[in-house]
Parts: sequence; C-alpha cells; structure tokens
Amino acid sequence: GEDVEQSLFLSVREGDSSVINCTYTDSSSTYLYWYKQEPGAGLQLLTYIFSNMDMKQDQRLTVLLNKKDKHLSLRIADTQTGDSAIYFCARGSSNTGKLIFGQGTTLQVKP
Amino acid sequence: EPEVTQTPSHQVTQMGQEVILRCVPISNHLYFYWYRQILGQKVEFLVSFYNNEISEKSEIFDDQFSVERPDGSNFTLKIRSTKLEDSAMYFCASFKGTNTGELFFGEGSRLTVL
Repeated sequence: GEDVEQSLFLSVREGDSSVINCTYTDSSSTYLYWYKQEPGAGLQLLTYIFSNMDMKQDQRLTVLLNKKDKHLSLRIADTQTGDSAIYFCARGSSNTGKLIFGQGTTLQVKP
Repeated sequence: EPEVTQTPSHQVTQMGQEVILRCVPISNHLYFYWYRQILGQKVEFLVSFYNNEISEKSEIFDDQFSVERPDGSNFTLKIRSTKLEDSAMYFCASFKGTNTGELFFGEGSRLTVL
C-alpha cells in the first residue's frame, strides 16, 4: 500500500468540526505535516508536529498523533466555507526535510 | 513573513523544448527542493539540494532534469527536452534545517507541454 494514506473526501456543515485522518508506515519520520491547497494555488503550511508529541493546538486546529498506530489527525473546529480545500498529510525527516505526501483529502464545507 | 517565490507562474512550451523554472528560497534556509504535482494527483518529491549539491533524487528525476543554484539566491530546475508527461505544477520548497520542522513551499509554476 501507499506510504502515507488519507481518505479522499470529507463533507461537513459550516460550524461543525472536521476531522481529517492520515496513516503512515514509516516510523522513522521525525515531523508530520498538514498542508492546505486551495484550487489552483500552492501548498500552505498549516501546522506540523514533532514525532515525540501527542498533540498540538493552534487556534482552530488540533493535531493528534498516535505514534503506536502511526495515525495522525487534523481537527478543524467551527469549520468555515473558507476552509474548503484539499488537505495533505506529509511525513518528513529532520535530517533532510524531504516529505512524502498522502493523496490529499478534499474538504467540502456546506453552508 | 518570509516566503518562497517562483517564476514563471505558468509556462506553455512545445514538446522537446528546454524549460527553466526559477525559485528564490527563504534566505536563511539550508535545504532546497523541487516537487511536482500532476493535475489531480499527489505531490511527488523530485530532488533535494544541500550545500551546493544534490543530496537526494527520486526516480522521476532522470537525466532530462537538472538543478542549479547559480548565484546564492536563485534555485533553478531545468528540463532539457520536455515531454507531454512533464505537464504538471512544479513546487519549490525550502527547509530551515535540523531541529525545526519549518518547510515552506512556493506558489508553484504550472508547466503545460503541448
């Protein structure tokens, strides 16, 4: 299977919480990232977590890392229509910074 | 906030032509990368560059591709003889280095090969 896997699509109502999940296979990863890509645009770094952390919170974003299960999630509280985008999970190494990306999860926020 | 800048934003070229994509990484970053994203697909690693040489490259990065940091600020990707399948968005990224996870991408250069 793929090294980094994500579900392809998530639809939520405005104001609800969104949870985007990601699994990976390589336990040597040092950092795990979430990037946001709006249509036709580049990759915006949303947040990242060091592999020895379990959780990181940044305003409406909460990242949870279960290192044992190699599972990463991104929770977006109070989801807005402007959050509609593709969200990429990626794993990386502190030695080189090279990232391996998942396929991306398209988040659709309905008003 | 410092950012990675890329030019051109879009380039259309004929098959077989040479293309150079340019990037200006963040000034105090040490590692530089090129990634590509074929339309609708995931982002794929092409090459990493550190200390003025290629540190790693993927199997996509064949002899048609080369990278250069000609003047200490620009970081370029050259495709020697473009093929139809080279049509993609090419992203430059820069990474501060160890003990930090900050890896930032540019807005991308869309290459269309006809």
